[in-house]
Amino acid sequence: GQNIDQPTEMTATEGAIVQINCTYQTSGFNGLFWYQQHAGEAPTFLSYNVLDGLEEKGRFSSFLSRSKGYSYLLLKELQMKDSASYLCAVMDSNYQLIWGAGTKLIIKP
Amino acid sequence: GAVVSQHPSRVICKSGTSVKIECRSLDFQATTMFWYRQFPKQSLMLMATSNEGSKATYEQGVEKDKFLINHASLTLSTLTVTSAHPEDSSFYICSARETDYGYTFGSGTRLTVV
Repeated sequence: GQNIDQPTEMTATEGAIVQINCTYQTSGFNGLFWYQQHAGEAPTFLSYNVLDGLEEKGRFSSFLSRSKGYSYLLLKELQMKDSASYLCAVMDSNYQLIWGAGTKLIIKP
Repeated sequence: GAVVSQHPSRVICKSGTSVKIECRSLDFQATTMFWYRQFPKQSLMLMATSNEGSKATYEQGVEKDKFLINHASLTLSTLTVTSAHPEDSSFYICSARETDYGYTFGSGTRLTVV
């Protein structure tokens, strides 16, 4: 079966760094997405990785290791507005998105 | 960038009535659109995939006679919740695929059935 695992909830301090991990087992792989979703709103795109390595985009970075079926989202210089759920999604061999359950990130002052 | 417009953003309806949700791609043609449902504190659950001009493909456990999907044009897909019940209350989100790797979400519709 297809499976994507990520922690249910994480807590971090404003100004700090947090890493949200995602492991996956899917039928085929055509890339991994990270989305941010604030409560009551639709998800917004953060990053897309299809090759191994680190992609940096401002305060957010995303890493992928295809051999390990592993990705992480790294958030630096945390701000209160970063409090949200972060969804990991993998595109399978049929170009369909398989969603993780999401990680709720709580930022404390 | 690509924009997907979803309406209404919020709707309250009486039990037994039907509700239609529209999803439009504003600046691109979406041959494929996806409809998701999200219950509180849970992840997105794919309900169905709609392709322009053909019947939608429903995920296992989703009643196709209850959740009617129409994708009559390259820019418009609609989801109609028929004979709504309180357990249908949820957050419904559409998504359109612009390219093989480009997914854009609508802003979502909060449905409350009373």
